[in-house]
Amino acid sequence: QVQLTESGPGLVHPSETLSLTCTVSGFSLTGYSVYWVRQPSGKGLEWMGRMRYNGDTSYNSALKSRLSISRDTSKNQVFLKMNSLQTDDTGTYYCTRGGGYNPWGQGVMVTVSS
Amino acid sequence: DVVLTQTPPTLSATIGQSVSISCRSSQSLLHSNGNTYLHWLLQRPGQSPQLLIYSVSRLESGVPNRFSGSGSGTDFTLKISGVEAEDLGVYYCVQGTHAPNTFGAGTKLELK
Repeated sequence: QVQLTESGPGLVHPSETLSLTCTVSGFSLTGYSVYWVRQPSGKGLEWMGRMRYNGDTSYNSALKSRLSISRDTSKNQVFLKMNSLQTDDTGTYYCTRGGGYNPWGQGVMVTVSS
Repeated sequence: DVVLTQTPPTLSATIGQSVSISCRSSQSLLHSNGNTYLHWLLQRPGQSPQLLIYSVSRLESGVPNRFSGSGSGTDFTLKISGVEAEDLGVYYCVQGTHAPNTFGAGTKLELK
């Protein structure tokens, strides 16, 4: 059964760095890409970036200077790090399997507040 | 970046009514490999998005066949033939042809 589970802190202070982990099961990170998507409360979906099956990464142009995506294939984990967080980075962060955006994790709510 | 324009932003429907959602792209979504990576997602209230249709017209396993997708190039449509209560939520198109991938702004399907 294919599953993705996001984890990370629920609260981050302004100007700090967000670190999230996506743990996958039921498929290999060397066979599928994993994407990160976020959703501000009450708003639409925003594509953040991806870790391709071959280790390559690509990022949303607007976030590229603050964002880094990496992985540990031995632990079946993909990591997201984004620095200089501000209040408009508040929202739900999802990871999803590439090759069709299927399936999605349950999401992790991140609040940026002092 | 590719811009996906979804219309209408809101759709009011009665149970059993057929509806369509449009997704227009600022660039052709035909990949150099001959595939078109335009997908449709549904996000029900309080839930994560789920895949309905992939590669324009291919129905994801387990998705009812009242959902169908069509289109090519820059113009795509999702049709629901006979809305049911469980279909309410926000529909998104997403393109995977060009990096970075991008989402449409969403279409909210409500009960009339």
